[in-house]
Amino acid sequence: EAGVTQSPTHLIKTRGQQATLRCSPISGHTSVYWYQQALGLGLQFLLWYDEGEERNRGNFPPRFSGRQFPNYSSELNVNALELEDSALYLCASSFSEGRTDTQYFGPGTRLTVL
Amino acid sequence: AQSVTQLGSHVSVSEGALVLLRCNYSSSVPPYLFWYVQYPNQGLQLLLKYTSAATLVKGINGFEAEFKKSETSFHLTKPSAHMSDAAEYFCAVSESWGKLQFGAGTQVVVTP
Repeated sequence: EAGVTQSPTHLIKTRGQQATLRCSPISGHTSVYWYQQALGLGLQFLLWYDEGEERNRGNFPPRFSGRQFPNYSSELNVNALELEDSALYLCASSFSEGRTDTQYFGPGTRLTVL
Repeated sequence: AQSVTQLGSHVSVSEGALVLLRCNYSSSVPPYLFWYVQYPNQGLQLLLKYTSAATLVKGINGFEAEFKKSETSFHLTKPSAHMSDAAEYFCAVSESWGKLQFGAGTQVVVTP
């Protein structure tokens, strides 16, 4: 069974540009989560999508946004990039059954902002 | 709000020795707790999780963790370290549906 996939693996942008990151969940999973892993800041929850709707959001500015498509894949958009947005962005997926859901993670997209 | 504290950002163990990684949590609701491992340049892999069934939870690769409510702890152990255990380990609590709150992580180095 295929795991969570993310693209691209690496992304280099300059300050002020927009970045788009993509995620395909495990087949059968309806929930997709996004986390940021920045150096020195640990893993921070960004967004949760389920059945096409944004269900929860972490403490990030509105320039971090995303969506979930009818096939449950997801896109994370980061507008007006800042240097501190440089990080590994991890996507995870799960069934949507509650707080005990196991989140399965993809390999991540490394975003570098110059 | 819930939070997770991992004691020790770096742990060095000898091959064959006990691995002990500490995790303490705070929670106003019954906690659901997870341990994940991250190998270099990879995503996170679930080792084990506690969901209020047995307090001693067995996971993959010989790891286990014990939930102790009185100590608000969920420490991860492995009796005998292998070189392949070198990685970063994260403890997490399910804060609310759809959101994991992670600890800062513990980097494990295994020496021959």
